[in-house]
Order: sequence, then structure tokens, then C-alpha cells
Amino acid sequence: SQQGEEDPQALSIQEGENATMNCSYKTSINNLQWYRQNSGRGLVHLILIRSNEREKHSGRLRVTLDTSKKSSSLLITASRAADTASYFCATVGSQGNLIFGKGTKLSVKP
Amino acid sequence: DAGVIQSPRHEVTEMGQEVTLRCKPISGHNSLFWYRQTMMRGLELLIYFNNNVPIDDSGMPEDRFSAKMPNASFSTLKIQPSEPRDSAVYFCASSFTGNGYTFGSGTRLTVV
Repeated sequence: SQQGEEDPQALSIQEGENATMNCSYKTSINNLQWYRQNSGRGLVHLILIRSNEREKHSGRLRVTLDTSKKSSSLLITASRAADTASYFCATVGSQGNLIFGKGTKLSVKP
Repeated sequence: DAGVIQSPRHEVTEMGQEVTLRCKPISGHNSLFWYRQTMMRGLELLIYFNNNVPIDDSGMPEDRFSAKMPNASFSTLKIQPSEPRDSAVYFCASSFTGNGYTFGSGTRLTVV
């Protein structure tokens, strides 16, 4: 069953704008991870945020985590056409397996 | 490191045929995962191994699917007999201690 649920399902923006994607999950977590998938390719790990962290940065990426609301957000600042991809949040199940949401399809127009 | 290596990249087969997908995880990683991705169902975990031992295969659709990991550097996912509804992209991923996963490029399976 899906643990993480992203919204929106699809997002279209202009190059240079910021993109925000949200994720909600159901059970308690040790960490939450965000992945990117380019069309026809495998998933690439972007960032991991632990349950005791509230915010984390990596380059143009900013991830927040609110464990009281069981939600996370991924912000991509100053987006580029190359950021066009699907973005997934994932939580770790009780035995170490990742459980993915259905993803947000981001389209950045030049 | 070459990353997680999957083969073949593409497979087209006729219904009823046996299909074998292969995966070589990253050296030193102790967990290996098989996922299936379709438009309708998204990413589904099929089975995963810790230290070559299958931990949870509850995601395997039915008895036609089987997976093995004979050693730390190789795993196979077999479908026998294959059906058109098995058409999907199958991903293998590996990790160490469950932190960031590394995914292979996937095998796109088409069963006609």
C-alpha cells in the first residue's frame, strides 16, 4: 500500500520559478527520502531527512518535515528545464524497505 | 562504481514464455529490492533481500513470479509463464543500512 502521497500530481512552471511538492504519509517514520525519476530512467536519490530534523538543504533543494502533520515538502528554487522529471517521496518500512508515493510530475518550460 | 546494473534493458516476449531479469547490486550493499512500475499502480515493491535472504515477498503478484539471490553480487527475477499484464518497467535497487537507495536503469518488459 502507498505510504507517501504526493501532491500535486502534476506541476507545470516556467524556468526560474520555484517548484513546491508536498508529501503526506501515514505511519511514524525514522526518515523520509525524496527521489527524482527522469522519463524512462531509474530513480535517483536526492535527499534524506531524519525524523528529528525539520529542514534540510542541498543545493537548490530544500526539504521540510513536519512529523506532527505527517507531511514533507520539497522546494526546488530557480528551476531549470533540466529539473523536468517525476519526484517521489518515500518512507522506510519496518524492515528497511522503501515505500513510494505515486509522485509529482514536474514540467519546467524554458 | 558502475552503480546497480540491470539486464536486459528491454525485453519483448510472447505470452507464455519465461522471462528472467538480472541485477547486479553495488558492491558492499547488503539489501536488494525488486520494484515494478506501471502507470496505473506506480512503484510497487515485489520482494527484497537482506544479506541474500528474502525478507518479504508479499508483493510478488502470484506464483508465476520468483526471485533468487544466490550471492551478494547477483539476483534474478523470473516470470514463468509471462502474461501481457506483466508488462511494466522492473527496477532493482540496492542499499546499505537502508539509507539512500541506488536504483538500476530498469528493464522495460513487454509481453505480447
